[in-house]
Amino acid sequence: GAVVSQHPSWVICKSGTSVKIECRSLDFQATTMFWYRQFPKQSLMLMATSNEGSKATYEQGVEKDKFLINHASLTLSTLTVTSAHPEDSSFYICSANRADSNQPQHFGDGTRLSIL
Amino acid sequence: LAKTTQPISMDSYEGQEVNITCSHNNIATNDYITWYQQFPSQGPRFIIQGYKTKVTNEVASLFIPADRKSSTLSLPRVSLSDTAVYYCLVGDPDTGRRALTFGSGTRLQVQP
Repeated sequence: GAVVSQHPSWVICKSGTSVKIECRSLDFQATTMFWYRQFPKQSLMLMATSNEGSKATYEQGVEKDKFLINHASLTLSTLTVTSAHPEDSSFYICSANRADSNQPQHFGDGTRLSIL
Repeated sequence: LAKTTQPISMDSYEGQEVNITCSHNNIATNDYITWYQQFPSQGPRFIIQGYKTKVTNEVASLFIPADRKSSTLSLPRVSLSDTAVYYCLVGDPDTGRRALTFGSGTRLQVQP
């Protein structure tokens, strides 16, 4: 079964609104979670690393004030796209590592965000 | 992080064996090789991971030569449902940043 849950799976909203996406690790604690963005026919691009109890680390070119990340617990990270615009429309995917092992990342099923 | 190079696309027919090779010339000593499968509008799904020689699980085999500068994912007897994008990633699982750089992936199309 799924070990990383992402919600919502699909959202459509008007330009200018803010959208929150949740990423939960279901049966393990994750001190680190990762957020990716994927445009059609392209590969996944890492946006930021979410660290429990501290600030997220953003990749070059990703606006931290635009994409707010909160990792308030060991099982939940949220990504908020603030004042979303049509160019923010994309497929957003999170992943998580089990804190106590070297097992590979587990990915959520993604969130399709469409800004009108 | 080590860069990977894969063929952009491959075509096959049902029942055939498919081998997808990935080049990672600057792989580091502590790096593992991990393969993921992605269907449209879904997150990547772990297939297999290895460090050296051969690894086999219920869905695939991973062949890694002694120099570890490449690896080959082998899918036995593919079916239409194996049509997907396959990503090869290289990274050190102990650093906290584990295989985060996705290359272009290989788009496998399985025909009936």
